[in-house]
Amino acid sequence: QSVLTQPPSTSGTPGQRVTFSCSGSNSNLGTNFVYWYQQLPGTAPKLLISRDNQRPSGVPDRFSGSKSGTSASLAITGLRSEDEADYFCASWDDNLIHPVFGGGTKLTVL
Amino acid sequence: QVQLVQSGAEVKKPEASVRVSCETSGYTFTDYYIHWMRQAPGQGLEWLGWINPQSGGKFFAQKFQGRISMTTDTSIRAAYMDLLALTSDDTAVYYCARALLYELDFWGQGTLVTVSS
Repeated sequence: QSVLTQPPSTSGTPGQRVTFSCSGSNSNLGTNFVYWYQQLPGTAPKLLISRDNQRPSGVPDRFSGSKSGTSASLAITGLRSEDEADYFCASWDDNLIHPVFGGGTKLTVL
Repeated sequence: QVQLVQSGAEVKKPEASVRVSCETSGYTFTDYYIHWMRQAPGQGLEWLGWINPQSGGKFFAQKFQGRISMTTDTSIRAAYMDLLALTSDDTAVYYCARALLYELDFWGQGTLVTVSS
């Protein structure tokens, strides 16, 4: 059972906007940054959003992140077929004193 | 460019141990912690522990205390994770990742460890 809660799947059509949710608690999202990762099948996770809403170099501005209280969200605009992947959130937990993760949301591009 | 390259897939029998290596390049090895995670089939990521390559300090998830070890070799910029007394529950893809403070920014490609009799 993951500490951060994400819906298992979502879908969208090319060009559409899709969002991903991540729910936590005061000890993680409530006090620490959220990070979002994209994991293409069989590959290493790639950092997509850092510190709630910062895009690392090379990440397109189609990807954006936000956080409010103990919930966070990732949005993809202008959906493309190559965006089909698993997306998971992560944060630091002050009680557990280590990183915690969501179970991931699988995006299907129809 | 930053790279973390992990060792290949392993098949182990129950009660055996496994070592997964993580060879790094493209950055100053001692400036970043190395964290280890795993992902069992159909499950989310589980954090195993971290090691500070500069000091050798380490911290493990309570669940693995006593049967996990993490080391580094700064001369070749590599990190190692050893897991002992394997059971079928340890079947998973194991990942290393570098971290600055709380941000795991670059990950290895993953190493599948299968435990089967």
